[in-house]
Amino acid sequence: NAGVTQTPKFRILKIGQSMTLQCTQDMNHNYMYWYRQDPGMGLKLIYYSVGAGITDKGEVPNGYNVSRSTTEDFPLRLELAAPSQTSVYFCASTLAGGDEQFFGPGTRLTVL
Amino acid sequence: GDSVTQMEGPVTLSEEAFLTINCTYTATGYPSLFWYVQYPGEGLQLLLKATKADDKGSNKGFEATYRKETTSFHLEKGSVQVSDSAVYFCALTRGVGDYKLSFGAGTTVTVRA
Repeated sequence: NAGVTQTPKFRILKIGQSMTLQCTQDMNHNYMYWYRQDPGMGLKLIYYSVGAGITDKGEVPNGYNVSRSTTEDFPLRLELAAPSQTSVYFCASTLAGGDEQFFGPGTRLTVL
Repeated sequence: GDSVTQMEGPVTLSEEAFLTINCTYTATGYPSLFWYVQYPGEGLQLLLKATKADDKGSNKGFEATYRKETTSFHLEKGSVQVSDSAVYFCALTRGVGDYKLSFGAGTTVTVRA
């Protein structure tokens, strides 16, 4: 199993550009999450999904959108990139709520 | 709401020193508690967990005991190695039916040879 995979690993965007961060898991997990990690701030939950077709907002959803059309994929969309979205983004998944989460390697995004 | 407070870093130690990272939490009910570790350039991975009061989680020489009376879950290791250099995150979830993890800010640990 590859676990949780994320692409790209690095990306530089200009203000106002859009992009999609890809996340795929091959563990047949129902729950998937997107976090952002800012220095000294821990991880903040952006969006999460409890199954295909179901998504919900986390702590910091503004400026982002998600979709979950399949169990395996959970892409994160930035429509109008802003410098405040410069961060490291992690995708995670878990089989059952309250259980261990498995994390991808992260995407480092810089918005200039 | 739920929250996790961790000892601030960075922490710098010599090899074979004793490591303690304090973690306290605020949550209703009976949360499950976790320690995650992030090695340089990698994603987070579970280090250990405890799901009820007085449980002790252990892995790779690290230990943490779930103390409900003090709402704490301190991480300890008796003899650290250079390979333990990483960022350590304390986290909680309210357990079955709660889908979200609440993380502490993370503690950076550097172990010198």
